Amino acid sequence: RKEVEQDPGPFNVPEGATVAFNCTYSNSASQSFFWYRQDCRKEPKLLMSVYSSGNEDGRFTAQLNRASQYISLLIRDSKLSDSATYLCVVNRNNDMRFGAGTRLTVKP
Amino acid sequence: GAGVSQSPSNKVTEKGKDVELRCDPISGHTALYWYRQSLGQGLEFLIYFQGNSAPDKSGLPSDRFSAERTGGSVSTLTIQRTQQEDSAVYLCASSLVVGQGYNEQFFGPGTRLTVL
Repeated sequence: RKEVEQDPGPFNVPEGATVAFNCTYSNSASQSFFWYRQDCRKEPKLLMSVYSSGNEDGRFTAQLNRASQYISLLIRDSKLSDSATYLCVVNRNNDMRFGAGTRLTVKP
Repeated sequence: GAGVSQSPSNKVTEKGKDVELRCDPISGHTALYWYRQSLGQGLEFLIYFQGNSAPDKSGLPSDRFSAERTGGSVSTLTIQRTQQEDSAVYLCASSLVVGQGYNEQFFGPGTRLTVL
């Protein structure tokens, strides 16, 4: 079983749609959690951290459920520029493990 | 300031040859990671260096892979006797470790390795 699992998608949504990505992790000792974004043929970049109480950054909302070892990312009012692969990242003692990513395509 | 740099950006080699990939992390970052990413796949963890601690080599796929980090800065990933399945983008990332939990990784542009 992979340490971090994500639905690979692809998710194809129209502009303005709300889309949610899920991620599960296997190591209960994991300490911190992140979502990274990777554009085609580019390196990953941090999108947002995920806090236990849930957190929001503009149109993006991240949630963490430690009991279920589950992380989510919600994108509201999606834009064409949101098209990318979204990587779930789990950290334990600065050892970062990435999910395989969920591909999102936002269409006009 | 300068970000993470990697060289070469592209490397084409013949099966059986050795290759060296270089990573220059952000100055002052104590943690350095190597990943590889095959076409359309996620990041596969290879190795992790943190300060002067012994590296976590648990992700290296075979003994043909090795990595060094000299002086706590530049790192070299070496692949011996390359095979076609080694073809991938090799990504390096560094992070500034500040306690637990704050460790945004900054990635280099990667080295695209093609083994013919």
